[in-house]
Amino acid sequence: DTEVTQTPKHLVMGMTNKKSLKCEQHMGHRAMYWYKQKAKKPPELMFVYSYEKLSINESVPSRFSPECPNSSLLNLHLHALQPEDSALYLCASSQDGRQGSEQYFGPGTRLTVT
Amino acid sequence: EDQVTQSPEALRLQEGESSSLNCSYTVSGLRGLFWYRQDPGKGPEFLFTLYSAGEEKEKERLKATLTKKESFLHITAPKPEDSATYLCAVQATGTTDSWGKLQFGAGTQVVVTP
Repeated sequence: DTEVTQTPKHLVMGMTNKKSLKCEQHMGHRAMYWYKQKAKKPPELMFVYSYEKLSINESVPSRFSPECPNSSLLNLHLHALQPEDSALYLCASSQDGRQGSEQYFGPGTRLTVT
Repeated sequence: EDQVTQSPEALRLQEGESSSLNCSYTVSGLRGLFWYRQDPGKGPEFLFTLYSAGEEKEKERLKATLTKKESFLHITAPKPEDSATYLCAVQATGTTDSWGKLQFGAGTQVVVTP
């Protein structure tokens, strides 16, 4: 089973709200990723967790705060977002980040900031 | 600097009309090259991993090949359900701070008409 699940599917939030995106995988993968994707563009890497530790932060604004509670779960906490943060947020996982292991993506959360 | 370029940007095919998509890359060292398929509003679906020049992988009507500078995704006798955006991504050997990172191309949007 190569399934990564994400909740919610859609989220509309105001600029003063606090919300969280959730991601789960049960493939025993030890690397998990958050990506942001704008329309007609490829995914852009935001964060990488390796063995539950943050290993890459692509200079993402602090209004995005990742959390990895355990090896199967990944959260993205959102606070004081801007309208330009509206996008499809994708979670992915891989066996680990080395050896060219493929990443499996979830269906995404469509975020709209009003 | 690592670069991934996909061509063409868009491709319109008649059902049964075979064609090829190109992904050219410039990296210091290749750890892996990945092909994904993405339907509108959904997460990318993993198709193939290629590691070394001369390698080929096949799945149904799709065949991916790799040389030292580029990869091709051949679509044989496509059907309307093959309509999607096809993304190429490379993982470079790089340095430890690039561990796990994928460099995506902009994608090729394929439309197959009956």
